[in-house]
Amino acid sequence: GQQVMQIPQYQHVQEGEDFTTYCNSSTTLSNIQWYKQRPGGHPVFLIQLVKSGEVKKQKRLTFQFGEAKKNSSLHITATQTTDVGTYFCAGPETGGFKTIFGAGTRLFVKA
Amino acid sequence: GAVVSQHPSRVICKSGTSVKIECRSLDFQATTMFWYRQFPKQSLMLMATSNEGSKATYEQGVEKDKFLINHASLTLSTLTVTSAHPEDSSFYICSARGASGSYEQYFGPGTRLTVT
Repeated sequence: GQQVMQIPQYQHVQEGEDFTTYCNSSTTLSNIQWYKQRPGGHPVFLIQLVKSGEVKKQKRLTFQFGEAKKNSSLHITATQTTDVGTYFCAGPETGGFKTIFGAGTRLFVKA
Repeated sequence: GAVVSQHPSRVICKSGTSVKIECRSLDFQATTMFWYRQFPKQSLMLMATSNEGSKATYEQGVEKDKFLINHASLTLSTLTVTSAHPEDSSFYICSARGASGSYEQYFGPGTRLTVT
């Protein structure tokens, strides 16, 4: 079945270091979404990318959608302790209603 | 905008009882709502997709008679865990997708269910 894979599973960084999580889909996606879940919280929608090769920025976060619309990345510049949490990418099910979520990347930031 | 509430936030119940969880979209109409289950430090496991006015579509392995879903209106969906057992203890999260055609989902704050 359709899958969305995310790496790494978790990453520990020192505050101020950069962080990147990668997302790969087994199928071409019409769009890709990113969510953040803080420890003990619920996923919060961050952004949706639609166009091939699209790059969007939100302050220190940079989101990219691959040219083939099968992969995406989230890059955080100069991490802060507030960036701690799990980052999920997600894409729509081909021909269906569901959203397929990646397993998430847990980010730990040490002050 | 795009606020989803979920009630209760925490519930402890005895084995064999039923628990109802409500999910409401507060400032938009949700044509589709999703129910997820999340185990500690794991990803979201989709349980069912709920469309207003029609029967929910359950994922493989999810018992529809045990997890009753009712999407009675464009702003309310309920999940009832019937005859709960300790293995049903988990974090249940709903999400809603608006009618605009956009794919982003807005999640409720979740319900932590503990069955003793």
